[in-house]
Amino acid sequence: GIQVEQSPPDLILQEGANSTLRCNFSDSVNNLQWFHQNPWGQLINLFYIPSGTKQNGRLSATTVATERYSLLYISSSQTTDSGVYFCAVLPFMNYGGSQGNLIFGKGTKLSVKP
Amino acid sequence: DSGVTQTPKHLITATGQRVTLRCSPRSGDLSVYWYQQSLDQGLQFLIQYYNGEERAKGNILERFSAQQFPDLHSELNLSSLELGDSALYFCASSAGQGLGSPLHFGNGTRLTVT
Repeated sequence: GIQVEQSPPDLILQEGANSTLRCNFSDSVNNLQWFHQNPWGQLINLFYIPSGTKQNGRLSATTVATERYSLLYISSSQTTDSGVYFCAVLPFMNYGGSQGNLIFGKGTKLSVKP
Repeated sequence: DSGVTQTPKHLITATGQRVTLRCSPRSGDLSVYWYQQSLDQGLQFLIQYYNGEERAKGNILERFSAQQFPDLHSELNLSSLELGDSALYFCASSAGQGLGSPLHFGNGTRLTVT
């Protein structure tokens, strides 16, 4: 099955720093999403981005589907950005036809220090 | 706020008991998904309902069942509970059958089985 690898697994930043999180996937996808799980356990959808570039405030994401990777940029990080960032993909050949078949990476754990 | 409402937030019960978790999807979303997140297993897809009908099944145990009602809210029933069922249970929703739209998660129900 498709493999989803996120890097780095852990990241510690000083408040105000910028960072780039990477998600590599091993097969063609038609659905890619980035999620943030905060320290209280809430899972928040950041981007639905199967291809192209999107921006939302200090966050932006780029997916290059042909090269099978996606990047999440966090600029001017804040302590509230701490948590785990998950990339999730749906293989192009998704026979199940359901987002339940989204494959989640293991996440990048981000800690932003004041 | 994702717009997905889950109740209760916390649940503590004993082994062998039965509990019901409730989820109201975002307004207009027809698909509801249930996930289990435990420390050692990560995020596991359990089941999806679309407009009242079961749409896809994941790693749902036979002791677990779910349904989606005409008003689109959903319930997940967990019976004969075991210690290993202790986890964070998420409900998520998406528009339509969900393949081309983002997944939005509720805040989860933290289940502790003692």
